[in-house]
Amino acid sequence: KAGVTQTPRYLIKTRGQQVTLSCSPISGHRSVSWYQQTPGQGLQFLFEYFSETQRNKGNFPGRFSGRQFSNSRSEMNVSTLELGDSALYLCASSLVGDQGYTFGSGTRLTVV
Amino acid sequence: AQRVTQPEKLLSVFKGAPVELKCNYSYSGSPELFWYVQYSRQRLQLLLRHISRESIKGFTADLNKGETSFHLKKPFAQEEDSAMYYCALSTRDDKIIFGKGTRLHILP
Repeated sequence: KAGVTQTPRYLIKTRGQQVTLSCSPISGHRSVSWYQQTPGQGLQFLFEYFSETQRNKGNFPGRFSGRQFSNSRSEMNVSTLELGDSALYLCASSLVGDQGYTFGSGTRLTVV
Repeated sequence: AQRVTQPEKLLSVFKGAPVELKCNYSYSGSPELFWYVQYSRQRLQLLLRHISRESIKGFTADLNKGETSFHLKKPFAQEEDSAMYYCALSTRDDKIIFGKGTRLHILP
């Protein structure tokens, strides 16, 4: 079966712009989580959606938001981009959290 | 506070030598623990879960609640084991907290 698909793979934006990243989970998976990966901070949890509801949120500013659609696809939005938002953004899906997550390849965002 | 600590940023081990990647956690309750691996230019993937008591690619990990540890071990390192390894904890509300990762470098 298809894995977790993230689009686009690469993105370059300028400061102040906004960006939307997309994630299609494995068919049947209802939990989708988003992570930011940077060399300095490692993997940091952004938020988790389950059945279109945000269940958990990490310690990121309100510029970072997300949503999940009825088909479990999820989008993540970052507004007013800052240089420090440059990172690899990973999406992961799971049937339920304690089964472990399957990760997508990520979207590499560069803010210039 | 919920926290996962991987004390080593980089671990270099000779091929054939034993490997131990350390992971300590802080969590009030019964944790669900995982190890994830990211090989060069590949996506992050689940290596093993403590509840399954699996051995994957020769790696095992035992949960020690007394020491709050979940160290990853392999008796004989192979060159293809070189990768970034992340220890992770799943909370009751399905949030996953990752350690900062340890880069394992297998020397020939």
